[in-house]
Amino acid sequence: GAGVSQTPSNKVTEKGKYVELRCDPISGHTALYWYRQSLGQGPEFLIYFQGTGAADDSGLPNDRFFAVRPEGSVSTLKIQRTERGDSAVYLCASSLSPRDYGYTFGSGTRLTVV
Amino acid sequence: AQSVTQPDIHITVSEGASLELRCNYSYGATPYLFWYVQSPGQGLQLLLKYFSGDTLVQGIKGFEAEFKRSQSSFNLRKPSVHWSDAAEYFCAVGATGTASKLTFGTGTRLQVTL
Repeated sequence: GAGVSQTPSNKVTEKGKYVELRCDPISGHTALYWYRQSLGQGPEFLIYFQGTGAADDSGLPNDRFFAVRPEGSVSTLKIQRTERGDSAVYLCASSLSPRDYGYTFGSGTRLTVV
Repeated sequence: AQSVTQPDIHITVSEGASLELRCNYSYGATPYLFWYVQSPGQGLQLLLKYFSGDTLVQGIKGFEAEFKRSQSSFNLRKPSVHWSDAAEYFCAVGATGTASKLTFGTGTRLQVTL
């Protein structure tokens, strides 16, 4: 596609529920990144995929967070047993390769846990 | 570990006036440095990036930034601000050799008065 697409744009869920956030990167981009942006903060790194594999997942805050990219294109960020502190904007970005510095970001998914 | 400080949370300038947004980084070697802009409801857009070479970097929308190793700074400048430049600006640093994980500052919100 022309840009990085993230769905849904907004998600409200109850505490304790499971959510999935989807990212559709630019076609042909092998590198895909997830960041989380809390209110008043800069984006924080969560996980980076090169192809189908998670090359760096050091930013995932705990084992409730998991991400997959089974075919090396679309990625899904999964959050189990959501907590109010998970409320944030989740940003996805992609790049042609890891050395193509300067990602293209999607508009994000605003997750609100009530 | 790398870190970024953006000391100004909020800056207001008049349209047509010059602009300088400050960014200081901490990293043991020569870093990769970036400036991104985020408008409300939009994803992050890359303004410019520095890897090596000429320390004055030109970007899109008339922005430029200067890498000063002695001051560990990478300040963003624009000679004449337009009302449409009102947005949140983020400085980011990546480890040399890979941009797979960027560390962002907390951002500077720019307000432009007419």
